[in-house]
Amino acid sequence: DAKTTQPPSMDCAEGRAANLPCNHSTISGNEYVYWYRQIHSQGPQYIIHGLKNNETNEMASLIITEDRKSSTLILPHATLRDTAVYYCIVRVATGANSKLTFGKGITLSVRP
Amino acid sequence: DGGITQSPKYLFRKEGQNVTLSCEQNLNHDAMYWYRQDPGQGLRLIYYSQIVNDFQKGDIAEGYSVSREKKESFPLTVTSAQKNPTAFYLCASSIVAGPNQPQHFGDGTRLSIL
Repeated sequence: DAKTTQPPSMDCAEGRAANLPCNHSTISGNEYVYWYRQIHSQGPQYIIHGLKNNETNEMASLIITEDRKSSTLILPHATLRDTAVYYCIVRVATGANSKLTFGKGITLSVRP
Repeated sequence: DGGITQSPKYLFRKEGQNVTLSCEQNLNHDAMYWYRQDPGQGLRLIYYSQIVNDFQKGDIAEGYSVSREKKESFPLTVTSAQKNPTAFYLCASSIVAGPNQPQHFGDGTRLSIL
């Protein structure tokens, strides 16, 4: 499985954009990049995913570099409720057992 | 509201006892999954099911069993053979099994040993 590397933590001010980086230099051509977040004692929440194009939905934007070796999750206007652990995952693209392998993630703290 | 419901939220098991964790979804998803999360660690796949009456072992299936008799239900039994069952158990579902289909999670069941 391609491995991801994320800094352990970061913070940002409420109302500002939060840019969460992820390195996945060993990603294969058919592997997707997924982002989830988890607030303490709750289940992970799906945010966004992509293959090679940039993606945007109501929650966030995903920017994938042209060589696909890194990506950035952008929360355009962070709120206090966005404080959570964010997981960047490269998803194995083989077969039906396309499991999600969560690493340690990055703890985002949004300050007032 | 559509979603995934796990119950109970907290569960205690005595030594030598089997316990069953419930997972129900009303999203009309074909695929369902069970993961285990230990403190400070990522998720590990226990079992998954692509369709009714079919399920496959994940990475850590020993000491667990599942059934998939209905599309909306995928209960997990933690048997007495599972020697370290204390963990946070998460159920997920997706429209179908595959790398381009997001898995959506319930809010988990926290299992502890008495």
